Parts: sequence; structure tokens; C-alpha cells
Amino acid sequence: GENVEQHPSTLSVQEGDSAVIKCTYSDSASNYFPWYKQELGKRPQLIIDIRSNVGEKKDQRIAVTLNKTAKHFSLHITETQPEDSAVYFCAANVEYGNKLVFGAGTILRVKS
Amino acid sequence: KAGVTQTPRYLIKTRGQQVTLSCSPISGHRSVSWYQQTPGQGLQFLFEYFSETQRNKGNFPGRFSGRQFSNSRSEMNVSTLELGDSALYLCASSLVGGGGYEQYFGPGTRLTVT
Repeated sequence: GENVEQHPSTLSVQEGDSAVIKCTYSDSASNYFPWYKQELGKRPQLIIDIRSNVGEKKDQRIAVTLNKTAKHFSLHITETQPEDSAVYFCAANVEYGNKLVFGAGTILRVKS
Repeated sequence: KAGVTQTPRYLIKTRGQQVTLSCSPISGHRSVSWYQQTPGQGLQFLFEYFSETQRNKGNFPGRFSGRQFSNSRSEMNVSTLELGDSALYLCASSLVGGGGYEQYFGPGTRLTVT
């Protein structure tokens, strides 16, 4: 069935270090992979996304890579800052339309 | 542009009652999707509406329903509420409904069923 696995569930890094979150999807037809950041008590915020015709996309300190053969995609955050602390969700689209299947989330803590 | 708005923001209901939640998408966006967020199950897709038609439905019982109006505003209804329906209900708007487009979330409605 449709499934997105996300690892790790929690990640603690020192300020200035890099953080990597990995996801695996099951639906071969998925072609859109967004990442959301959710701070406590706030809405999920779209931070970056990638489509299946692209292998990598970068936006300042964040980047996403996609390996369609292995059905893996990853979020990379460099030079982490305390304000990066939040829950991060990966997702993949399935079926027709805008249905997204989400990973379980990664709690990122950046220690200063 | 104004973002996605949802009303009400908080709601307390008792078992057996029904509830209607409202979502206004970003101006010009025609697709609205609904998600349920709970600590145990995470973010789960409920349904998507585009041009007043339901395009996709998640694995939720028939007690969960929705609709979309001609101005793209959407409502979802939950009948015969159960304790397990307590959750944050999020809607997300997208420009079109063809898949692979950015979805922007509203602040959510926190529903508590007692």
C-alpha cells in the first residue's frame, strides 16, 4: 500500500552542524516530494519540494535529493541554527490529484 | 496574498454530536485538501476537492464528509462524533488539482471530543 517511512524520529545536533533526514516511499507513481516544517502549535510550512524529473534542489541552507531508483529522498540542512528546531515531515503524492502521504515526522533539536 | 484560513480555531464537542469545519483557500487556488493530525497517527489525508468535486478520499469512515463551494471555500463535516475524532484538522490549498503542486496549510481547527 501507500507508505512513506521517515528516519530518524528524533535528531539532536549542535548549532552549526548539518542535519540529514531520510525518507523512503512505496508508490512508484509518486512524482512530487515536499518537505514541511512544523513548529509547536503552528501549521506545517512548506520549506522545499522536489519533482521526479530533478535529482537535487537547493535553497540557501536546505537541500533535497531524490533517488527514484531506490525510492529514497532526503532533506539536508547545513549550518543549523536554533530556529531550525521543529518537527519535519516528508511526503509523497499518490494516486491522482493532490493526495499526500506523510512520513511520521522527525523532531530536530538544535543545541546552542 | 492572504493565506489559508480556517474557522473555528478551537472546538469542544461531546460524543454523538456533529461538527462542521470551514476552510478558505488562498485567493485563486481551486483545490482544497483536508488532513487529520494526531500524535498517534500523524498526518492523514481525508479528502480533496477541486472545482466542487471530490477527487480523492482517504481511509476514513463515512461519518467524515466534505464539500466545496463555487468560490473554492470548503467545509468538512463529522457526524456522530467519537472520542477518537479528537485531533487537529488541517486544510491545504493548491492552485490546481492535477497533483505535484505546492500545498499550503491553514492554521487548523483543534477539535476536542468529550
